[in-house]
Amino acid sequence: GAGVSQSPSNKVTEKGKDVELRCDPISGHTALYWYRQSLGQGLEFLIYFQGNSAPDKSGLPSDRFSAERTGGSVSTLTIQRTQQEDSAVYLCASSLEKSRLAGFFGPGTRLTVL
Amino acid sequence: AQRVTQPEKLLSVFKGAPVELKCNYSYSGSPELFWYVQYSRQRLQLLLRHISRESIKGFTADLNKGETSFHLKKPFAQEEDSAMYYCALSPSGTYKYIFGTGTRLKVLA
Repeated sequence: GAGVSQSPSNKVTEKGKDVELRCDPISGHTALYWYRQSLGQGLEFLIYFQGNSAPDKSGLPSDRFSAERTGGSVSTLTIQRTQQEDSAVYLCASSLEKSRLAGFFGPGTRLTVL
Repeated sequence: AQRVTQPEKLLSVFKGAPVELKCNYSYSGSPELFWYVQYSRQRLQLLLRHISRESIKGFTADLNKGETSFHLKKPFAQEEDSAMYYCALSPSGTYKYIFGTGTRLKVLA
């Protein structure tokens, strides 16, 4: 594709339900980032993938959050037993170079937990 | 602790006036600093990075290690500059990027 894509664009869920957010990076980009943007907050780093490996998962807010990447391409961020404080815009970005966050962000997924 | 501070949530200037978006950082090593911009209904995108010492869309930013600042400047603001601007820091040699809370720039006609 022409750019990073994310799906769904909007997700409304009930507290306690599980959600999956998907990111399709630019083809060939080995680095992939997940960030979260809550209302009035800056971008909060969640996790970084180099290939299929995530060298550091310490940014994930709790053990309800997990992420995986398969085939060095698509990544899925899963939030289990969602809470209202999980409501935010979840952004994905990909980069060609290892460890370099360039300007290739996805449009984000707006998650609303009722 | 590593931190990026953007003290202004909103900055309003008139078209043609100079603009300066403030960014201060807290980091003991040699950081890499960036400015990102998000125009209305568009994706977040990289505006410039300090190592390139570039000018993009008339914007420049100079790293001042003494003042730990990386302010974004433009001598003559244009209406199309209205957007949300984020300053970000990446500790040298890492993949982590620490973002500020952003400043919304409004350029008034």
